[in-house]
Amino acid sequence: GAVVSQHPSRVICKSGTSVKIECRSLDFQATTMFWYRQFPKQSLMLMATSNEGSKATYEQGVEKDKFLINHASLTLSTLTVTSAHPEDSSFYICSARSTVYTEAFFGQGTRLTVV
Amino acid sequence: GEDVEQSLFLSVREGDSSVINCTYTDSSSTYLYWYKQEPGAGLQLLTYIFSNMDMKQDQRLTVLLNKKDKHLSLRIADTQTGDSAIYFCAENRGFQKLVFGTGTRLLVSP
Repeated sequence: GAVVSQHPSRVICKSGTSVKIECRSLDFQATTMFWYRQFPKQSLMLMATSNEGSKATYEQGVEKDKFLINHASLTLSTLTVTSAHPEDSSFYICSARSTVYTEAFFGQGTRLTVV
Repeated sequence: GEDVEQSLFLSVREGDSSVINCTYTDSSSTYLYWYKQEPGAGLQLLTYIFSNMDMKQDQRLTVLLNKKDKHLSLRIADTQTGDSAIYFCAENRGFQKLVFGTGTRLLVSP
């Protein structure tokens, strides 16, 4: 299957700072990328869907000014958590789809801890 | 939206079969998926089934689909300790959007 690389795998930041998480499709062109958030021992909650070259579509209840998503190329999407607070601490996972594959491929996830 | 429901926990002995159940909500879902998540890691696609199929077998994995009851199951034959993980079913709602189940933690003991 195709490979999606997410970076960094772990990040600790101070409250009030911003953190950028990258999601790259290594061997295919991702027309659509998804960002999920997962709380401990819970399921994945879709935060937003982004199509290359257009604005992301955010799920209800997700603050678009706080979670900035950019999908500038067919192989890269970024999620920036702005003015992070401890309640933003979570596991963030991206996935990518293309028109070639039936399924979505997932990154390894990023554990964000805000102190 | 409505939740995709799974039982929280399943414990089996090595060599037994495991059956993980899922009740989904969208009868128009084209594909239904099973993913595996190991601690601190992303999701690994195990298998998927097209909505017009009743069953799909892939080595040790068997997926059964009951569209009438919106019930999906994953059977793992000859379960191994390496199968211990969290298993998520997922349905697609609308174009490309996946909605995940609540997750089942499988513990395999020697």
